[in-house]
Amino acid sequence: EAQVTQNPRYLITVTGKKLTVTCSQNMNHEYMSWYRQDPGLGLRQIYYSMNVEVTDKGDVPEGYKVSRKEKRNFPLILESPSPNQTSLYFCASSLSGRTDTQYFGPGTRLTVL
Amino acid sequence: GENVEQHPSTLSVQEGDSAVIKCTYSDSASNYFPWYKQELGKRPQLIIDIRSNVGEKKDQRIAVTLNKTAKHFSLHITETQPEDSAVYFCAASPDDYKLSFGAGTTVTVRA
Repeated sequence: EAQVTQNPRYLITVTGKKLTVTCSQNMNHEYMSWYRQDPGLGLRQIYYSMNVEVTDKGDVPEGYKVSRKEKRNFPLILESPSPNQTSLYFCASSLSGRTDTQYFGPGTRLTVL
Repeated sequence: GENVEQHPSTLSVQEGDSAVIKCTYSDSASNYFPWYKQELGKRPQLIIDIRSNVGEKKDQRIAVTLNKTAKHFSLHITETQPEDSAVYFCAASPDDYKLSFGAGTTVTVRA
């Protein structure tokens, strides 16, 4: 089944404890992206990747890191999480190296205490 | 960067009536405008999109119009049904890689 998966789906952590949210797609998509969703703010793009080893900042990259070593995986790293990073995170991918039709993962609910 | 404003934030319509959501964008370079629907507790899903070389696009009960001169685009849902109840997001892409979303419109279809 073609899909985008994220792990974990739910995470409660404490300030400063490094964490990684994984994202994987099995559709051989070129483009992958991370968003955070907050009430009243919609979805905001954190980072995106046009292809392996090619990444760039979105609108809200501060406090996040990404890597794209393999085409299928695009992990989101929070080196030192803070409470303002409490949010719902979505990973997405699209076939071409562009925005186009993006397929979203199920989301990761992160709470930073 | 691109700034997308979306109105209204909430919309309640009677089943069978039409719903219209409007968005404006700031970057004249934007050339791709998708609309996503997010049901409660679910992931966003693309419902329709339009590119800057087209003024209108329809898909059954859903249509999107684009006015590049005024920098605004709209989603029209006709003959609304209960399953149309969801949050709808507009978005704009200025360079084929970045995507900026509006804040969302919560649509409630009353039976």
